[in-house]
Amino acid sequence: GNSVTQMEGPVTLSEEAFLTINCTYTATGYPSLFWYVQYPGEGLQLLLKATKADDKGSNKGFEATYRKETTSFHLEKGSVQVSDSAVYFCALSDRGDNQGGKLIFGQGTELSVKP
Amino acid sequence: DSGVTQTPKHLITATGQRVTLRCSPRSGDLSVYWYQQSLDQGLQFLIQYYNGEERAKGNILERFSAQQFPDLHSELNLSSLELGDSALYFCASSPSSGSNQPQHFGDGTRLSIL
Repeated sequence: GNSVTQMEGPVTLSEEAFLTINCTYTATGYPSLFWYVQYPGEGLQLLLKATKADDKGSNKGFEATYRKETTSFHLEKGSVQVSDSAVYFCALSDRGDNQGGKLIFGQGTELSVKP
Repeated sequence: DSGVTQTPKHLITATGQRVTLRCSPRSGDLSVYWYQQSLDQGLQFLIQYYNGEERAKGNILERFSAQQFPDLHSELNLSSLELGDSALYFCASSPSSGSNQPQHFGDGTRLSIL
């Protein structure tokens, strides 16, 4: 079945460092891909999305490109801030028959940014 | 603020009991999704409703059921509760059931079984 694999955390960076969180997926067909962020005690917030191959999603300095050839959707940010500390989830939207638009999530990657 | 409202925020109950979690979707959204987040299983899809009808089902236990009402709010009913049901339960909504539409999540209901 469809699945998402993320790099394990926690990831600890200094402020202004470059961030990469790896995400690869297995899917039949052409899923939509998403990154969500979860701050402590809160629900998931949509960070960015891409709906077809070579699409680049971007928001708040974060970027991810839908790479069909490598089945990847890695999250990047050029300069992280302390306020970026959170758990990041990569997800795909299952387009199978009778699947509606359910999301399949990776296990989450905790990011901690130190001043 | 995502616009998705979940109540209650916290629930503490005992094994064998039954609870109801409530979700109000964003204004105009017709689809409601329920997810369970636990330390060992991560985020798992439970069930989806679209405009009052069940649309997709995940690994939802038979002890769990849900429905979506004419005003589009949804309830998740959990019965014969077990210790392993302790988790964070999220509701999400989207305008329709299309797979390219992002889902907007509520803040969740934390269920603790004692």
